[in-house]
Amino acid sequence: SQKIEQNSEALNIQEGKTATLTCNYTNYSPAYLQWYRQDPGRGPVFLLLIRENEKEKRKERLKVTFDTTLKQSLFHITASQPADSATYLCALGSTDSWGKLQFGAGTQVVVTP
Amino acid sequence: DAGVIQSPRHEVTEMGQEVTLRCKPISGHDYLFWYRQTMMRGLELLIYFNNNVPIDDSGMPEDRFSAKMPNASFSTLKIQPSEPRDSAVYFCASSSVFLAPRTDTQYFGPGTRLTVL
Repeated sequence: SQKIEQNSEALNIQEGKTATLTCNYTNYSPAYLQWYRQDPGRGPVFLLLIRENEKEKRKERLKVTFDTTLKQSLFHITASQPADSATYLCALGSTDSWGKLQFGAGTQVVVTP
Repeated sequence: DAGVIQSPRHEVTEMGQEVTLRCKPISGHDYLFWYRQTMMRGLELLIYFNNNVPIDDSGMPEDRFSAKMPNASFSTLKIQPSEPRDSAVYFCASSSVFLAPRTDTQYFGPGTRLTVL
C-alpha cells in the first residue's frame, strides 16, 4: 500500500541554523510533491511545489529537493527564526488521481532563540 | 477572496446527536475536500468532490458519515449518530484545475473542532 513517512519526532533547532525535514514514500509514483505549513488551531497552508522532473526548488529561505530514485524529498529552512516554528506536512499527488493529495503526518519544528 | 469558510468553528455535542459541518469553498474552485485530523491518524481524506459530484468517498469511516454538495458554493458533512471517537478537527479544502500550470494546490479552511461527549 502507498505510504508516506515523515519524522514523527519534533525537530528542535537553534535560531539561525538550518532545519532539514524528510519525506519518504513507498509504492507511489508522484507527479509532484507539495509542502504545507500548519500552525496550531489552523488549517495547512501551501508553501512549495516540486514536480517529478525537477531536482530543486527555492522560495526565499525555503528549499525543497526531490529524488524520485530514492523516493525522498528534503525540505530545508535556512537561517531559521522562532516564527518558523510550526508543523510541516508533505503531500503527494499523481496523475492517477488528479486533484487528490495524500498527506504525510507532518513534522513539528521548534526554533528556539 | 475570503478564503475557505467553515462553520461552526467549535462544536460540542453528546453521543448520539446529529452533527452538521458546513463549508463554503473559494469562488471558482471546482474541487472540494473534507479531511479529518487527529493526533493518532494525522490528516485523513474523507471524501472529495469535483464540480459538485462526489469522486472518491473511500475515506468515509462508515455509514454514519455523509457529505453533500448541492451547489458550487456550499457543502455539508453530516455525522448521525455521533460517537466520542468522531472527536477531531474537520477541515474543508478547495482547489482549482484551471490554474496553470496545474498544481492542485489545496486551500484549507480554519477547521471545525468537534467534541463528542
